[in-house]
Amino acid sequence: GNSVTQMEGPVTLSEEAFLTINCTYTATGYPSLFWYVQYPGEGLQLLLKATKADDKGSNKGFEATYRKETTSFHLEKGSVQVSDSAVYFCALSSINSGGSNYKLTFGKGTLLTVNP
Amino acid sequence: DVKVTQSSRYLVKRTGEKVFLECVQDMDHENMFWYRQDPGLGLRLIYFSYDVKMKEKGDIPEGYSVSREKKERFSLILESASTNQTSMYLCAASPAGNQPQHFGDGTRLSIL
Repeated sequence: GNSVTQMEGPVTLSEEAFLTINCTYTATGYPSLFWYVQYPGEGLQLLLKATKADDKGSNKGFEATYRKETTSFHLEKGSVQVSDSAVYFCALSSINSGGSNYKLTFGKGTLLTVNP
Repeated sequence: DVKVTQSSRYLVKRTGEKVFLECVQDMDHENMFWYRQDPGLGLRLIYFSYDVKMKEKGDIPEGYSVSREKKERFSLILESASTNQTSMYLCAASPAGNQPQHFGDGTRLSIL
């Protein structure tokens, strides 16, 4: 079946440091890939997405490139801020067994803490 | 703006009770989902629905049922609550097709 593996946290960085959160996946076919972010006390929000190989998703200074050859979708940001402290989830979208609808498979999440 | 509303942020119930968690979306989306979120396990799909009165089991449906009588409302039911169902429950909605899901803020449920 489908699966998503992301680096375990917690990750603690100083403000303006470079961030990488690794994500690899196993899936049949050609899934879409997503990064979601969960701020304290809130639900998940879509951060960025990529729908085909070599696509780069970007938003709020975060980037991730869909690498089919390495089955990866690593999240990066050049300079993190305190406000980026949150839990980050990598996910893939796959069609269900009935062939009619899509569902998400999530990684376990990575807690990022950014200190001033 | 897109909105998924879960009826309670915090809920405390007793073992054996029948528990209802409600979720409403205002986006006219076809698909709705219920997940539970536990530390170290991430999000796990309980049930989802792609149309009114339609439902499909997710990865961990045991001990749960769902109801979707109207397009905008998706209810999760714990038939007889147990302590291992203490968790954060998240509802989500998405349009038909391969589209991102929009999440509610979650219900933190404690079963005593």
